[in-house]
Amino acid sequence: EAQVTQNPRYLITVTGKKLTVTCSQNMNHEYMSWYRQDPGLGLRQIYYSMNVEVTDKGDVPEGYKVSRKEKRNFPLILESPSPNQTSLYFCASSFGGRHLFYEQYFGPGTRLTVT
Amino acid sequence: SQQGEEDPQALSIQEGENATMNCSYKTSINNLQWYRQNSGRGLVHLILIRSNEREKHSGRLRVTLDTSKKSSSLLITASRAADTASYFCATPLTTGGTSYGKLTFGQGTILTVHP
Repeated sequence: EAQVTQNPRYLITVTGKKLTVTCSQNMNHEYMSWYRQDPGLGLRQIYYSMNVEVTDKGDVPEGYKVSRKEKRNFPLILESPSPNQTSLYFCASSFGGRHLFYEQYFGPGTRLTVT
Repeated sequence: SQQGEEDPQALSIQEGENATMNCSYKTSINNLQWYRQNSGRGLVHLILIRSNEREKHSGRLRVTLDTSKKSSSLLITASRAADTASYFCATPLTTGGTSYGKLTFGQGTILTVHP
């Protein structure tokens, strides 16, 4: 089954404790992206990757890191989480291309609470 | 205001009625996408309309795009209680016909369909 998986689905952590949210897709998609969703703010793009070893900042990259060493995986790293990073996080993937943008396939979401 | 803004923010209708949601954007695009989100879940792609298309249909969905007004509308005909969800438009940042990976979502329209 074609899908995007995220782990963990729920996470409660404390300020400053490094964490990684994993994202994996099995559709051989070039493009992957991370979003956070907050009430009243919609979805905001954190980082995206056009292909392996190619990553770039979205609209809200502060406090986050990403890496794309393999095509299927795109982990989101919070080196020192803070309470303002409490949010619902989504990973998405799609076929990529510089001249056209394709439909995004979303993971189920990770609800993160930082206390 | 940000790229990709939906209007209205909330819409409440009776089953069987039509629901219309609008999206406005600011910069040039090569396509515009509509997504649906059931409460707290991952977004699901509904329809993609390219910049050279004016109208597109998919089942009970009808999407229009007016690039001169930088706006799009999503019409759901004969709505059902199961259509209750949030609906988002998304626009890729495009320069000279090339998409650079940035995808902007609006804040969404919350649709409630009463049985």
